Amino acid sequence: EDKVVQSPLSLVVHEGDTVTLNCSYEVTNFRSLLWYKQEKKAPTFLFMLTSSGIEKKSGRLSSILDKKELFSILNITATQTGDSAIYLCAVSGVGGSEKLVFGKGTKLTVNP
Amino acid sequence: EAGVTQFPSHSVIEKGQTVTLRCDPISGHDNLYWYRRVMGKEIKFLLHFVKESKQDESGMPNNRFLAERTGGTYSTLKVQPAELEDSGVYFCASSQGWSRAFFGQGTRLTVV
Repeated sequence: EDKVVQSPLSLVVHEGDTVTLNCSYEVTNFRSLLWYKQEKKAPTFLFMLTSSGIEKKSGRLSSILDKKELFSILNITATQTGDSAIYLCAVSGVGGSEKLVFGKGTKLTVNP
Repeated sequence: EAGVTQFPSHSVIEKGQTVTLRCDPISGHDNLYWYRRVMGKEIKFLLHFVKESKQDESGMPNNRFLAERTGGTYSTLKVQPAELEDSGVYFCASSQGWSRAFFGQGTRLTVV
């Protein structure tokens, strides 16, 4: 059965800190790994990773995928209080319904 | 561009009653997904429509759940009769091809 494990489950930091969120996975016929940020309502898309070793970057956020070791990390530098959210990692496999298999998420709290 | 919209935002019903959730995907998106998050657990796949056809309904918990997608546009998810364990947040997502999925804000269902 496809599985995604995120760690830590919860993290509290101060503004300006750098954080690394982890996501490991097991999926049949891997297609892509996606990161979402969920504040109050809808999960909003951050990154989609399909190739190993290529870093995706958007402002202070970056992510990289290691297909050999089956994991991904999401880095946030110079954290701000607005980064407080649940960060979700999900994977999809080739064929079938392209459904996403999610981890439980990492709840990040950034204190001023 | 309008995003994925879900209605209602929150519904509280008694055990044994019927509830219908609605999702309007992004216009032009053939793929429509339903997911559910039960408290303390990860977001889990329920089913996938391609246009008006059910592509995969392997995640539907039981036959009390019925999903439809009229004319390949909006979708409804009906729970009849509702049980306490059906409580959770129901998310709808849509995508074009196998690109990233866009999520709605979710419907929080509380069965008392």
